[in-house]
Amino acid sequence: AQKVTQAQTEISVVEKEDVTLDCVYETRDTTYYLFWYKQPPSGELVFLIRRNSFDEQNEISGRYSWNFQKSTSSFNFTITASQVVDSAVYFCALSEEGGNDMRFGAGTRLTVKP
Amino acid sequence: DTGVSQDPRHKITKRGQNVTFRCDPISEHNRLYWYRQTLGQGPEFLTYFQNEAQLEKSRLLSDRFSAERPKGSFSTLEIQRTEQGDSAMYLCASSSPGTGTYEQYFGPGTRLTVT
Repeated sequence: AQKVTQAQTEISVVEKEDVTLDCVYETRDTTYYLFWYKQPPSGELVFLIRRNSFDEQNEISGRYSWNFQKSTSSFNFTITASQVVDSAVYFCALSEEGGNDMRFGAGTRLTVKP
Repeated sequence: DTGVSQDPRHKITKRGQNVTFRCDPISEHNRLYWYRQTLGQGPEFLTYFQNEAQLEKSRLLSDRFSAERPKGSFSTLEIQRTEQGDSAMYLCASSSPGTGTYEQYFGPGTRLTVT
């Protein structure tokens, strides 16, 4: 069975601070996909990144970076120099081979204060 | 076509009434998914279609729920005899794994309130 745990329910930082959102997953499959989504106050889920289980290379996109470690079953997300517009709920998700149903974590609410 | 669209965006209904939601996926995507999201939780999978075939249904999808995708394009989700526990955001998403697009793109959702 697949499971995604986001232990941090809420995080509050001051603008320009760096912040890391944790994600730990469980799966029996050797082939799976990991995702991060952002849900701003407007409510629409916005896709941020997908990672295949074969590819442990970390990725950086502007102020965003992702650290995938199979050894610890973690896929953490770091925002560098946070901005007020980063305030949102962030979800980590997992889908197994075939990419059918996606299992989401409970989300981490990030508040960036000016 | 700029994304997944859903209609209506909000629905208020009385307990016991039937409601139907519509989802229009990204046009070239052959997979369409329905999720339900309650306050403070992540989306929970309900069902998905590949083209017009409904291939998987969650245990969350009780007999009062039915989904269709008759021509492999738009989809409808109907809830019969609504209950207060059905109040949630209903999200639709689409993807195209055949082209390597495993990520799902979500619509804005339909917020259902059952009074």
